[in-house]
Amino acid sequence: DGGITQSPKYLFRKEGQNVTLSCEQNLNHDAMYWYRQDPGQGLRLIYYSQIVNDFQKGDIAEGYSVSREKKESFPLTVTSAQKNPTAFYLCASSLSDRAGELFFGEGSRLTVL
Amino acid sequence: DQQVKQNSPSLSVQEGRISILNCDYTNSMFDYFLWYKKYPAEGPTFLISISSIKDKNEDGRFTVFLNKSAKHLSLHIVPSQPGDSAVYFCAARFSGAGSYQLTFGKGTKLSVIP
Repeated sequence: DGGITQSPKYLFRKEGQNVTLSCEQNLNHDAMYWYRQDPGQGLRLIYYSQIVNDFQKGDIAEGYSVSREKKESFPLTVTSAQKNPTAFYLCASSLSDRAGELFFGEGSRLTVL
Repeated sequence: DQQVKQNSPSLSVQEGRISILNCDYTNSMFDYFLWYKKYPAEGPTFLISISSIKDKNEDGRFTVFLNKSAKHLSLHIVPSQPGDSAVYFCAARFSGAGSYQLTFGKGTKLSVIP
């Protein structure tokens, strides 16, 4: 079945450590996104990528990095520079001409100890 | 500064009745609006959308209304079912260069009581 796979589902990290969240899609979508959700908050855009080897910062990119070497993959690295990394992270993809209609993965919950 | 606002954090409705979820926006440049539904511990799923050239869009039990002059949209669910219990997010975007960036509201938790 086509869809988006995020891993791991739960992740614990010590302060000062970098961590990478995986996102893979087999929907043949050109665009991919990373969002962050905090309790009682809406989704906030971290980074997005319209095509392979290209990506743009969203509203809250500081302390995060991404790469887009393959169409199917858009990993997110949460660096030690991110001051409040504990959150629920959602990866999504879309067709380029339907950029608002996102298909989301099930999310990854990161907890910093 | 919140550009997309969902002022009701929660809403309870009896099964079979109408659910009305509201959303206000401040940026008049938004021209495409969407609703997403989210169950706990899952990613959101796209529900329905509306372009600013329309004032209504219907899909089965779900209808979205857009009032551009009031910068207000609403999602109507008729009849409401227990499976509709979820958090509903309103989202908006611009055309053109900003079309990849959605701005989300904080969500409204709908509880449909059997």
